Amino acid sequence: GAGVSQSPSNKVTEKGKDVELRCDPISGHTALYWYRQSLGQGLEFLIYFQGNSAPDKSGLPSDRFSAERTGGSVSTLTIQRTQQEDSAVYLCASSFSLAKNIQYFGAGTRLSVL
Amino acid sequence: DQQVKQNSPSLSVQEGRISILNCDYTNSMFDYFLWYKKYPAEGPTFLISISSIKDKNEDGRFTVFLNKSAKHLSLHIVPSQPGDSAVYFCAAIMDNQGGKLIFGQGTELSVKP
Repeated sequence: GAGVSQSPSNKVTEKGKDVELRCDPISGHTALYWYRQSLGQGLEFLIYFQGNSAPDKSGLPSDRFSAERTGGSVSTLTIQRTQQEDSAVYLCASSFSLAKNIQYFGAGTRLSVL
Repeated sequence: DQQVKQNSPSLSVQEGRISILNCDYTNSMFDYFLWYKKYPAEGPTFLISISSIKDKNEDGRFTVFLNKSAKHLSLHIVPSQPGDSAVYFCAAIMDNQGGKLIFGQGTELSVKP
């Protein structure tokens, strides 16, 4: 497809379970970003990738959160031992390169932790 | 520490009139400011940006103004249309931080026919 694709679009899980969220960026985009939007809040930066490396993981809320990107393309965000406060919309964006470039967002994964 | 703030959670405007959305920031090191628009169940889409060395950028019905001394920017939409009804996010970026966007909380604009 032409845009950023995220899957699943919705995920309901039980507290304590692990979840994996997937992001397929626009072809040719070297930079990939993860953000989350909690209810009533703005978008909060989590992590970004330049190629396969993640120079800035400063936004990850805890060590239960991790992300990887392989082949300079698809990225997965993993949340271990989910908690109710992890419930949010997780958004992925990609851009042609770092900084000053427009970031194109996917529609997000809505995560609900019961 | 909220570096980018949108103090109005909502704004209602009549079709054809001007919509003015405001944004304040605290960090003078930001290099670019951007506005994104978001419809429900969709990701944000880029609308317009401005470099910190400019004070105005215009694109069709959309104009962004930057007042660096006041650490304030605003987005003007003229004339407003019902299809402009969405949540608008202000965001800021520093060149040396890899393109990480710092977002405000968003303002929900409603344009009434």
